[in-house]
Amino acid sequence: GDSVTQMEGPVTLSEEAFLTINCTYTATGYPSLFWYVQYPGEGLQLLLKATKADDKGSNKGFEATYRKETTSFHLEKGSVQVSDSAVYFCALLNYGQNFVFGPGTRLSVLP
Amino acid sequence: EPEVTQTPSHQVTQMGQEVILRCVPISNHLYFYWYRQILGQKVEFLVSFYNNEISEKSEIFDDQFSVERPDGSNFTLKIRSTKLEDSAMYFCASSEMEGRNSPLHFGNGTRLTVT
Repeated sequence: GDSVTQMEGPVTLSEEAFLTINCTYTATGYPSLFWYVQYPGEGLQLLLKATKADDKGSNKGFEATYRKETTSFHLEKGSVQVSDSAVYFCALLNYGQNFVFGPGTRLSVLP
Repeated sequence: EPEVTQTPSHQVTQMGQEVILRCVPISNHLYFYWYRQILGQKVEFLVSFYNNEISEKSEIFDDQFSVERPDGSNFTLKIRSTKLEDSAMYFCASSEMEGRNSPLHFGNGTRLTVT
């Protein structure tokens, strides 16, 4: 079945550092790809999405590009802030199926 | 922006008791879901619901679980006889339509603690 793999956390960075959280997937066909963020004590919020190859999703300074050739959807941000500390989930949605989430990567940003 | 709301935010119950977790999806959404997240683990699909019936369920969603849309706004998850391993965050979600382009909108979750 479809699956999503993320880099293991926790990831600890200093404020203004560059962030990359790797995500790769295994799926048949052409799934849509998503990043969700979970701030402490809150639910999952959609951060960005991409629905076809080479699409770039972006929001709040975060970006991810749908790379079909490498089956990846890595999340990046040029300069992280303390307020970005959260758990980040990569997910895919394939036609006629349900969301499949990765295990999540915890990010801690230190001032 | 419309949002999915869940109540209660935290529920403590004794093993063997019944619990009902409540959700109000976004009003114009047609597809409803329950997911759960055991502490520190991945988000797992439980069940999807459309047109007043279950459209898909996972292996986790056994006979102890049921869902209902008792009126036009609420969507509930019932666990008949809770077990210790049911302790988790339960997230309700809704989407406008089915398909690759329709992301899920999640509530803030109900933390269920079974003692």
